[in-house]
Amino acid sequence: AQKITQTQPGMFVQEKEAVTLDCTYDTSDQSYGLFWYKQPSSGEMIFLIYQGSYDEQNATEGRYSLNFQKARKSANLVISASQLGDSAMYFCAMREGGFKTIFGAGTRLFVKA
Amino acid sequence: DTGVSQDPRHKITKRGQNVTFRCDPISEHNRLYWYRQTLGQGPEFLTYFQNEAQLEKSRLLSDRFSAERPKGSFSTLEIQRTEQGDSAMYLCASSLAPSGRYEQFFGPGTRLTVL
Repeated sequence: AQKITQTQPGMFVQEKEAVTLDCTYDTSDQSYGLFWYKQPSSGEMIFLIYQGSYDEQNATEGRYSLNFQKARKSANLVISASQLGDSAMYFCAMREGGFKTIFGAGTRLFVKA
Repeated sequence: DTGVSQDPRHKITKRGQNVTFRCDPISEHNRLYWYRQTLGQGPEFLTYFQNEAQLEKSRLLSDRFSAERPKGSFSTLEIQRTEQGDSAMYLCASSLAPSGRYEQFFGPGTRLTVL
């Protein structure tokens, strides 16, 4: 069973607008972590934001925020004020147990000028 | 800046040859991970080290694959008798434990092409 689902293969957003990238996950663990990574065309994975399963508040890191809805098992990434440099692949990931991290298939974001 | 480094960045080899990749993690990080990423997919977990101990191997890692981290610092990933299906980007990541977040910092990857 797929544990991380990203249903949007591609998304378009106008520069300076906000965009939400969807992620749902499946786990029976009570303790887990959720991550978003960005992968530009250069190929390197860049950590963006983290949400722990016990964190009561949604995580924020600059223009990135994570909309965590535990009961729905969703962890959507919100990027505010999109910039051209935000065009990239975005991966949602989940850490179960202490170390193993499972990635979704990704969403390609295109920012239009 | 001493981030995660990987060598080589690109490798082209013929089917049946052996290849070895190296990963140097962030110096104070005690955990090291290897992933494989094929086009259009997210990274797939291959194996994980805590210090020099290899604690888990994915079922994706056939007996042609072996990884080592002899002194708990750099790591090598060897693929023997390469097959065309091994063509992929091989990513290394490191993290620091104990850490509440366990975020992994990735290297630039080694792109393997098997002809």
